[in-house]
Amino acid sequence: NAGVTQTPKFRVLKTGQSMTLLCAQDMNHEYMYWYRQDPGMGLRLIHYSVGEGTTAKGEVPDGYNVSRLKKQNFLLGLESAAPSQTSVYFCASSVSGYGYTFGSGTRLTVV
Amino acid sequence: EDQVTQSPEALRLQEGESSSLNCSYTVSGLRGLFWYRQDPGKGPEFLFTLYSAGEEKEKERLKATLTKKESFLHITAPKPEDSATYLCAVQAGNTDKLIFGTGTRLQVFP
Repeated sequence: NAGVTQTPKFRVLKTGQSMTLLCAQDMNHEYMYWYRQDPGMGLRLIHYSVGEGTTAKGEVPDGYNVSRLKKQNFLLGLESAAPSQTSVYFCASSVSGYGYTFGSGTRLTVV
Repeated sequence: EDQVTQSPEALRLQEGESSSLNCSYTVSGLRGLFWYRQDPGKGPEFLFTLYSAGEEKEKERLKATLTKKESFLHITAPKPEDSATYLCAVQAGNTDKLIFGTGTRLQVFP
């Protein structure tokens, strides 16, 4: 089992460019999440989904959009990247009431 | 507002020197408290879930305990391979969202 797979692993963007981060899980989990991790700030929730076709805002949603068209995939989009979005992005999935399984992260730098 | 605070921010231990990491929380309606381990360049890896005050869980050299206001991660006779950042998170209310602390960076040197 691959668990949670994130692509790409690294990316450098110029300010104003757009990109999509892909998260795929093969555990049939209903819940999926996107977090960003910054030094001294911990993991902060961007958006999450409680099932196929549903999405909801987390703690820091501005500048990001998400889609969950298929149960196994959760996409995170940046429409116009800003330097403040330089971060490490983690996707996670879970079954209700249990711990998350995290991906290995995407390191994004916006210059 | 739900909040999770971990201390200390960083901890250096000599191999074999036992210690504890603290996670204090203020939430409405705790559903579960989670401990994760994170190695550099990797995603967090699940360690334990605690659901009620008085509960304890053990795994190798790690033992997690829970009270009504805080959790401790006790590390007994640590080894260099225990070096990592340890994250605490709480799940509260009627959602499955996890609220994370900023972590404790543990270094164990020979």
